[in-house]
Amino acid sequence: AQSVTQLDSQVPVFEEAPVELRCNYSSSVSVYLFWYVQYPNQGLQLLLKYLSGSTLVKGINGFEAEFNKSQTSFHLRKPSVHISDTAEYFCAVSDPTNAGKSTFGDGTTLTVKP
Amino acid sequence: DAGVIQSPRHEVTEMGQEVTLRCKPISGHNSLFWYRQTMMRGLELLIYFNNNVPIDDSGMPEDRFSAKMPNASFSTLKIQPSEPRDSAVYFCASSPGVGGPREQYFGPGTRLTVT
Repeated sequence: AQSVTQLDSQVPVFEEAPVELRCNYSSSVSVYLFWYVQYPNQGLQLLLKYLSGSTLVKGINGFEAEFNKSQTSFHLRKPSVHISDTAEYFCAVSDPTNAGKSTFGDGTTLTVKP
Repeated sequence: DAGVIQSPRHEVTEMGQEVTLRCKPISGHNSLFWYRQTMMRGLELLIYFNNNVPIDDSGMPEDRFSAKMPNASFSTLKIQPSEPRDSAVYFCASSPGVGGPREQYFGPGTRLTVT
């Protein structure tokens, strides 16, 4: 069984400041890892994914995440946030042997203040 | 590609009525997922299909909920009879499925209000 823990439910930050959204996972097998973003009144959309290879993954809108197998973490970072980054962010883990199902974290609400 | 299409976008109905939500996945995707999102419970997986076959419906809350996927390009989620506690945003998502990269593509959602 897999699980995902997003360590912060809400992260307030000022515009142009750096931000890190934390995600830990547990799994007994190799996994695929994802970050999704949900803007108000919209569905989730993929920010970035880790399947294999380089542990530093770059995504859309200037976000990146680093896969750390020893710490079972996949934290999301952005060096300088904009007001438009205000949204809810979900970390998800997928077991390649489990027919495509993903387990989602509870979400982190990022609020960027001017 | 038009992405995942859901209809209707908004549905307001009275308690006891039947509600049918519709989803058209991205062409070529093999997996389809139905989720429910509320403030109280967050994002919940209700059921998912692979190649039109239901794989896991353990998230379906009660027998009032049913889902079908008669072909690769269409799925429905039905609630009969509906209750106020069913009010939520329902998302459909599709994925390339087994052997693919496993990311999911979400539709815009159907906001259901049961009065």
